Amino acid sequence: NAGVTQTPKFRILKIGQSMTLQCTQDMNHNYMYWYRQDPGMGLKLIYYSVGAGITDKGEVPNGYNVSRSTTEDFPLRLELAAPSQTSVYFCASRSQFGNEQFFGPGTRLTVL
Amino acid sequence: TQLLEQSPQFLSIQEGENLTVYCNSSSVFSSLQWYRQEPGEGPVLLVTVVTGGEVKKLKRLTFQFGDARKDSSLHITAAQPGDTGLYLCAGESSNFNKFYFGSGTKLNVKP
Repeated sequence: NAGVTQTPKFRILKIGQSMTLQCTQDMNHNYMYWYRQDPGMGLKLIYYSVGAGITDKGEVPNGYNVSRSTTEDFPLRLELAAPSQTSVYFCASRSQFGNEQFFGPGTRLTVL
Repeated sequence: TQLLEQSPQFLSIQEGENLTVYCNSSSVFSSLQWYRQEPGEGPVLLVTVVTGGEVKKLKRLTFQFGDARKDSSLHITAAQPGDTGLYLCAGESSNFNKFYFGSGTKLNVKP
């Protein structure tokens, strides 16, 4: 099992560009999450999903969009990148039968 | 505003010392989790506490959930350099769908 994989590992964007952060899990988990972590801080929930076809906003959803067409994939879309979106982005998943979240290795995004 | 407040923010101690990290909120949580995060990696779960007043031990680490399920503490006995890292608490919402993270405690244990 690969667990939770994220691509890319690093990305530099110019203001106004768009990109999609990919997240895939192979554990057949229903729940998936996107967080952002600013330097030296905790994690803020952007969006989450409780199953394929169902998504909901977290604490800081503005400027982001998500979709969940399959159980495995939960991509995060930035439409108009802004410097305030410079952060490390973590995807996580968990089973509906437990509360342990499994995190991916993160994507470090810089918007200049 | 942060739903979960962690203190202290930074802690630098000598090997062998004891320490306690606190995680406080005015909200009630279904469960409270503690994670440890190394630089450049995602957080890794240490423990989940579910019942008010619950105490769990993991080798030299002792975790406690407050009676009212609003706060938690992590106590490390005889800290080792390998304990160095960012410690994060996370509260599970009442509908069991999402988690709120604290701002983290950065621990440095010097040999």
